[in-house]
Amino acid sequence: QQQVKQSPQSLIVQKGGISIINCAYENTAFDYFPWYQQFPGKGPALLIAIRPDVSEKKEGRFTISFNKSAKQFSLHIMDSQPGDSATYFCAARYGSARQLTFGSGTQLTVLP
Amino acid sequence: NAGVTQTPKFQVLKTGQSMTLQCAQDMNHEYMSWYRQDPGMGLRLIHYSVGAGITDQGEVPNGYNVSRSTTEDFPLRLLSAAPSQTSVYFCASSSLTGGGTEAFFGQGTRLTVV
Repeated sequence: QQQVKQSPQSLIVQKGGISIINCAYENTAFDYFPWYQQFPGKGPALLIAIRPDVSEKKEGRFTISFNKSAKQFSLHIMDSQPGDSATYFCAARYGSARQLTFGSGTQLTVLP
Repeated sequence: NAGVTQTPKFQVLKTGQSMTLQCAQDMNHEYMSWYRQDPGMGLRLIHYSVGAGITDQGEVPNGYNVSRSTTEDFPLRLLSAAPSQTSVYFCASSSLTGGGTEAFFGQGTRLTVV
């Protein structure tokens, strides 16, 4: 099963708040879990990524939490800013050809 | 450094017409892929290639054809356009060697089939 399930579909947060987006997967062969950020009219761009042997990775205001036993991972955006308003996709990589399978996306709106 | 370049940015086709979406990358990446993005469905893999002369199907390959004659270029062909192919198409590339794991995406092609 190659699916990655992402929630919520949309999220509205006040400036300075914490945004949390969750993803779950089934395939234990996935070996790399990136998050992509997409602004309107643009292609997705890598935001942050984690490997399954690490439980947490932090880059600035962005943190990935990874729970291997539960097959879940989440993106936390601390001190959310209006400039963070975008669509966020979780993804998981598999295979020697490094195919990515994506979640359905979360549209984040940060109110000023 | 241009990265991944897609052309055209917008296209309107009539049902049954054929066209080619162009994708070029200048990073010498072995892996290239095509995705379609539809509301609420994320990005779904259409076709991918791990090097010149090697292509394979992704999740939603029907109605699309690809070839890879050079490392740089990976065109996507719509053989006979259908309204169900109305979507935003993204090309991506990444390295399969060393520590490279990031997929770089183009700006996308918005295709409408009427």
